Amino acid sequence: QSVLTQPPSASGTPGQRVTISCSGSSSNIGSNYVFWYQQLPGTAPKLLIYNNYQRPSGVPDRFSGSKSGTSASLAISGLRSENEADYYCAAWDDSLNGVLFGGGTKLTVL
Amino acid sequence: QVQLVESGGDLVKPGGSLRLSCAASGFTFSDYYMSWIRQAPGKGLEWISYISRSSTYTNYADSVKGRFTISRDDAKNSLFLQMNSLRVEDTAVYYCARELAVAGTGAFDMWGQGTMVTVSS
Repeated sequence: QSVLTQPPSASGTPGQRVTISCSGSSSNIGSNYVFWYQQLPGTAPKLLIYNNYQRPSGVPDRFSGSKSGTSASLAISGLRSENEADYYCAAWDDSLNGVLFGGGTKLTVL
Repeated sequence: QVQLVESGGDLVKPGGSLRLSCAASGFTFSDYYMSWIRQAPGKGLEWISYISRSSTYTNYADSVKGRFTISRDDAKNSLFLQMNSLRVEDTAVYYCARELAVAGTGAFDMWGQGTMVTVSS
C-alpha cells in the first residue's frame, strides 16, 4: 500500500528536541529520497529537508533529517514558538509513479 | 523578484472546467521541472501532476488522470493546469511548485501562494 504514515500530532516545550516520524514502504521511502516540509498557518509549504538530510540554504541546522530502511524522521532541536506548524514528509513512489505526501503532523509548542 | 503567482481559481459547478495559470519570474523557468499540488480545506497536501523541462514528460496522480492536463509555455514563463469534469472532491487550494534541480523528484523549493478552486452546485 502506497501510504506515508505520520503521527497526527506532536508537542514539546521551548528548548526541547522533538522528532516526527514518517513510515513508508519499499516502493517509496525504501528506494527513494525523503523530503520534509513546514507549513505555517495560512501559508504555502516550505522545503525544510531534501534528499533525506540535506538542508536548503537558509534553513537552520536545528532542523535535521534521517532515514533508515522504510522510515524517516525529522528532528527539531531548540524548539521555538515559531516552529508551531504542520510538518509533512514526502517521497517518490515507484508503484504510483508519483509523489506521495504523508498525512501531516501538527506540532504544538507548549 | 523570484516568485510564482497562481491565478484562475473560481467557483464552478460539478462537471465544469477551469484553467489555472502560474506565472514565474526571477529565474530561468525553462530549466525546471514544475508541479501542481493541491490541499483540500483542512486536509493535507496532494501532488497531482508534474511536467518536465521542454514538456518532454508529464505525469498525473490517479485521482486526476484523464481529467486534468498540465502544460507549460516557456516563452511566457507560465505553467497551466486544464481541469475538466470537475468533481466536488477537487475543491482545494491549488499550488504550483518548482522542483529543486539538484534533488530527487519531490523536492519543491519554491511555491506560489495558491489559488482556490471550489466545486459546488
